[in-house]
Amino acid sequence: GAGVSQSPRYKVAKRGQDVALRCDPISGHVSLFWYQQALGQGPEFLTYFQNEAQLDKSGLPSDRFFAERPEGSVSTLKIQRTQQEDSAVYLCASSFPGLAEGFTKETQYFGPGTRLLVL
Amino acid sequence: AQRVTQPEKLLSVFKGAPVELKCNYSYSGSPELFWYVQYSRQRLQLLLRHISRESIKGFTADLNKGETSFHLKKPFAQEEDSAMYYCALRYNFNKFYFGSGTKLNVKP
Repeated sequence: GAGVSQSPRYKVAKRGQDVALRCDPISGHVSLFWYQQALGQGPEFLTYFQNEAQLDKSGLPSDRFFAERPEGSVSTLKIQRTQQEDSAVYLCASSFPGLAEGFTKETQYFGPGTRLLVL
Repeated sequence: AQRVTQPEKLLSVFKGAPVELKCNYSYSGSPELFWYVQYSRQRLQLLLRHISRESIKGFTADLNKGETSFHLKKPFAQEEDSAMYYCALRYNFNKFYFGSGTKLNVKP
């Protein structure tokens, strides 16, 4: 079956430009996560959705970052007025259970990531 | 504050040798720890989690609360084990804190 997909796979933006990164989770997955992975580092949590509700956005580095999942499936991460420090790989992951079911047996399935380069 | 430390950026071993990838964590609550792996040109995937006490592809990891460690071990490394390995800590149900990763290179 299809896994998590992300688009675009690569994005080059000029400093100050707005970008939108898309994530298509596995169908039926309740939970969706966004991560930022800088070069040579591990993924860093940005935000979490349970269906369409954004339950945690504590990892978003600034108010230039905005994420949505309006219908509880596809999610978009938007970065306004991009800066050079935003250059990173942005990973999306989804998992079936939500908070109610508990996470004991959940597995996060990661997408291939979007590599963003801000010049 | 929660933290995950992987002290080795690169670990090189010969095929058939034992391998241990180190992971130390800092967390005041009850930890839930994972190992993720990323093979070349593939996406990040779960390898194992401490709560399942499982062995995957010959790898095991034991949670040592006294030493706050969750080291990944395999008695006989194979060339196909060459990959990037990340230790991760889950806290607050939905947040995962990843270490900076260790690149394992298994030489023939």
